[in-house]
Amino acid sequence: AQSVSQHNHHVILSEAASLELGCNYSYGGTVNLFWYVQYPGQHLQLLLKYFSGDPLVKGIKGFEAEFIKSKFSFNLRKPSVQWSDTAEYFCAVNDNYGQNFVFGPGTRLSVLP
Amino acid sequence: SQTIHQWPATLVQPVGSPLSLECTVEGTSNPNLYWYRQAAGRGLQLLFYSVGIGQISSEVPQNLSASRPQDRQFILSSKKLLLSDSGFYLCAWRGGTSNTGELFFGEGSRLTVL
Repeated sequence: AQSVSQHNHHVILSEAASLELGCNYSYGGTVNLFWYVQYPGQHLQLLLKYFSGDPLVKGIKGFEAEFIKSKFSFNLRKPSVQWSDTAEYFCAVNDNYGQNFVFGPGTRLSVLP
Repeated sequence: SQTIHQWPATLVQPVGSPLSLECTVEGTSNPNLYWYRQAAGRGLQLLFYSVGIGQISSEVPQNLSASRPQDRQFILSSKKLLLSDSGFYLCAWRGGTSNTGELFFGEGSRLTVL
């Protein structure tokens, strides 16, 4: 069965610091990869996604993620965080031939002004 | 454009009572539909998904069941709630013809079982 792990439960940063959130998955086949964000009091929104092609994908609000197949990783990055990035971030994987989406446990990001 | 609605948004129920959470999608046809439960620190647990009317796949044995009586309607039910059923339930949809599309989530239903 597929599984997704996220390295950090809670990350605390000051504004303008750089961010990297780790995500690893276990599945040997072709996968689609996603990062979702949940701002306080709001519903889950897609931040970015990878299906094929360039392993470096860019999303909304200055976020990007890099798919490294050999490491089964899809880490999320942002060069300079803002207070408004305070949220919970979820990595997810979907088997390219199936309908099951598996989510990681989430990483809570707190950005201090 | 497509929208997804869940209700009720919050629900407080006694142990042993029945449950019905409803989810509808507008602006698309033949979507794949999902029910997840979100628990703090544990991410989203897939409960059920459906690729068509009357077709339900269960991912985890639960005190819950799901039904899809219409193309764009997905219902989560229980005959007798347990304390452990408390949580935040999310409905989501995905384009039915897509193997690469993302999930779109509703705003969730918070269930408290007392």
